[in-house]
Amino acid sequence: EADIYQTPRYLVIGTGKKITLECSQTMGHDKMYWYQQDPGMELHLIHYSYGVNSTEKGDLSSESTVSRIRTEHFPLTLESARPSHTSQYLCASSGRTSGSRSSYNEQFFGPGTRLTVL
Amino acid sequence: KNQVEQSPQSLIILEGKNCTLQCNYTVSPFSNLRWYKQDTGRGPVSLTIMTFSENTKSNGRYTATLDADTKQSSLHITASQLSDSASYICVVSDRGSTLGRLYFGRGTQLTVWP
Repeated sequence: EADIYQTPRYLVIGTGKKITLECSQTMGHDKMYWYQQDPGMELHLIHYSYGVNSTEKGDLSSESTVSRIRTEHFPLTLESARPSHTSQYLCASSGRTSGSRSSYNEQFFGPGTRLTVL
Repeated sequence: KNQVEQSPQSLIILEGKNCTLQCNYTVSPFSNLRWYKQDTGRGPVSLTIMTFSENTKSNGRYTATLDADTKQSSLHITASQLSDSASYICVVSDRGSTLGRLYFGRGTQLTVWP
């Protein structure tokens, strides 16, 4: 089982609040990702990072921001939450660590954070 | 446009029966194809990964096939169990970037009834 963690698992919050979704991995992976997934829909990449101090926007435009100060930590922040931000947010990581599956640059996913903005 | 299409959208089968899920893709240049299982409210978990040169790969009761010429893949589940109820997502990676960009299908929602 992958060692990648997300907190909180569920969050219900009012409009206008600032929130931070936490993501940590203990596999020493250099690449990390944030995806957004609505029910019955495909995952959409919203942010990714090649390593410390590297962050890029993904395919789906998002008002969220990310930071990568430490290899193992990749938090996502929404400065002012809105109902349109209601979704599931999935964090993933990949990298060339030991193990044959890592040779495919396989992404390991966290359990996700279900965000509801009222 | 790079796309991944899955069928059927949803499927209900009885416990113990077999089923096959389909995936068609247009991603190019192709690097590898993965099948993930996603339980409700959880993150996807990888079942199989296949490269261009592999046309079949098994993981227990799950067997994936790949036809790189027709750009089609299937996931066959044998002797289904209640715990197989989940969304099965086909994911194709391209080799056009160092990121190893992933293209996700919308998944097939499988329900196994007792």
